[in-house]
Amino acid sequence: GQNIDQPTEMTATEGAIVQINCTYQTSGFNGLFWYQQHAGEAPTFLSYNVLDGLEEKGRFSSFLSRSKGYSYLLLKELQMKDSASYLCAVRDPGGGNYQLIWGAGTKLIIKP
Amino acid sequence: DTGVSQNPRHKITKRGQNVTFRCDPISEHNRLYWYRQTLGQGPEFLTYFQNEAQLEKSRLLSDRFSAERPKGSFSTLEIQRTEQGDSAMYLCASSSPMNEQFFGPGTRLTVL
Repeated sequence: GQNIDQPTEMTATEGAIVQINCTYQTSGFNGLFWYQQHAGEAPTFLSYNVLDGLEEKGRFSSFLSRSKGYSYLLLKELQMKDSASYLCAVRDPGGGNYQLIWGAGTKLIIKP
Repeated sequence: DTGVSQNPRHKITKRGQNVTFRCDPISEHNRLYWYRQTLGQGPEFLTYFQNEAQLEKSRLLSDRFSAERPKGSFSTLEIQRTEQGDSAMYLCASSSPMNEQFFGPGTRLTVL
């Protein structure tokens, strides 16, 4: 079956670093996405990995290991505005439609 | 504004009534997706269009739900005979092939 696992909630301190993990089991794989979603708002795109390794984009980095079915999102120099849910999604090419399979999201709480 | 737009932003209806939501995607995107999201969950796939063709519909979607994209531009999602369990945020997203999905602000439906 299709399964995306993320921790439900994490807490971190302003200025610190936090790593949000995502493990997946899907019938196919054609890339992994991370989205940020503030409460009551729509998800916004953060990063995309299709090959193994680390992709860095400013304070945010995302890592992928396809053999382990594992990714993480690393947030550095945390700011209060980073308090949000972080959604991991895997693109599955099954049937030719390349749908996204979504995790339930990790709620990140930033404390001063 | 060239982002994805959705109307209305909020809808309150009584059980048994029909509701219709509209989504205007980013103009150059040929793919359009509808999702439903409840609190603490990731987006749940409902249906997907490539241009005007509806290529996939979730097996979890009852016959009360129907979507159209008549000219390959805007799309509508109709829910007939609404039930309290239909209360959720309905998200629309668009993309060009193999690229990230861009989400609209969503329509929050409350069924009384």
